[in-house]
Amino acid sequence: DTGVSQNPRHKITKRGQNVTFRCDPISEHNRLYWYRQTLGQGPEFLTYFQNEAQLEKSRLLSDRFSAERPKGSFSTLEIQRTEQGDSAMYLCASSLGRDTTYEQYFGPGTRLTVT
Amino acid sequence: GENVEQHPSTLSVQEGDSAVIKCTYSDSASNYFPWYKQELGKGPQLIIDIRSNVGEKKDQRIAVTLNKTAKHFSLHITETQPEDSAVYFCAAISSNFGNEKLTFGTGTRLTIIP
Repeated sequence: DTGVSQNPRHKITKRGQNVTFRCDPISEHNRLYWYRQTLGQGPEFLTYFQNEAQLEKSRLLSDRFSAERPKGSFSTLEIQRTEQGDSAMYLCASSLGRDTTYEQYFGPGTRLTVT
Repeated sequence: GENVEQHPSTLSVQEGDSAVIKCTYSDSASNYFPWYKQELGKGPQLIIDIRSNVGEKKDQRIAVTLNKTAKHFSLHITETQPEDSAVYFCAAISSNFGNEKLTFGTGTRLTIIP
């Protein structure tokens, strides 16, 4: 296993279109996180899953955003009716999710550009 | 919620010298403090972390110190090399059950001058 993978790596879309990103976590990692990073800033938390259950959503996650992790393995993040302000790097991270193991490992990210 | 501040925003050091990056946090319940290195076009890479029951941790040329009373923690890189050039982020987690999101600082762009 080589780590967290994300697809696609880059996505260019027109305003108003829907986009979907995929994240494959490290095997046996129960927790999966989505973050958003804009230029010159640190990543900001969006949502996270413990297995298939979505446990927390940030106020940054508007109604146009939805995330799923149907079988507790990979996850998808969908943005409907994209806006130019959605342009950012979308990062996925995973962690073991047992006891007090807090280490989160990030994937390479999906860079979204909305034109 | 947690707020993490990071300084400086940019740092240039001569190759071989040391670099220090400092962060402060606001939530006294925070108990885990990782540091990430991010290179251009890549995701953040975990390089070292420290828990609140430890004051210092070292891994080869990298060390992290934590002052719980003052609520600040620092990253120290010794004998810097050109490949250390990157953006470094500090972060914090408050371990309230069900709330394990990372809150990041705004990053430090470290440039190593050959």
